[in-house]
Amino acid sequence: DAGVIQSPRHEVTEMGQEVTLRCKPISGHNSLFWYRQTMMRGLELLIYFNNNVPIDDSGMPEDRFSAKMPNASFSTLKIQPSEPRDSAVYFCASSWEGGRGTEAFFGQGTRLTVV
Amino acid sequence: SQQGEEDPQALSIQEGENATMNCSYKTSINNLQWYRQNSGRGLVHLILIRSNEREKHSGRLRVTLDTSKKSSSLLITASRAADTASYFCATSDFGNEKLTFGTGTRLTIIP
Repeated sequence: DAGVIQSPRHEVTEMGQEVTLRCKPISGHNSLFWYRQTMMRGLELLIYFNNNVPIDDSGMPEDRFSAKMPNASFSTLKIQPSEPRDSAVYFCASSWEGGRGTEAFFGQGTRLTVV
Repeated sequence: SQQGEEDPQALSIQEGENATMNCSYKTSINNLQWYRQNSGRGLVHLILIRSNEREKHSGRLRVTLDTSKKSSSLLITASRAADTASYFCATSDFGNEKLTFGTGTRLTIIP
């Protein structure tokens, strides 16, 4: 298995532009998480899906952020319009919910820089 | 918001020594996990301990959980230079898979 695949690995964009981050979870996993990591705020959970349905989006900073999971093998995190304070590393992770808690597998992350 | 707080924030030890990191959390949990992150990489799962367990071992790792104190510790024995990384605890609640991470401990092993 190739693991969780994120694209792009690096993204540099100008303030005001739309940014779309992509994630392919591990096949068979039914939970998907988007995290943001910065030096100041650490690792923050933005949103998580279970069986393609958003379960908790309380961590999404504001309306500029949106996430979708149209099917079990793909998810996107979109920022529109982007701002310099959105600069961070964004991680996607997936797991299989067996009811007793299992490990999450992380992608390599997308390093976003908004200038 | 973050559930866990790791202590210390940074730790430097000589190779071969043992490293101990602590994690405190605030609410009741289903399980607690420890992850490792090398610089510039994604997090890698190390070990999971359930709320009804008190201690767990995996290779050179030993994890303890004290639910009465809402705390956990990660012990790495006979440390190696390759153990240099950041270590995070993560908790999940009953009934869902939402994983909330702590602030992390940056561990440096001096060769």
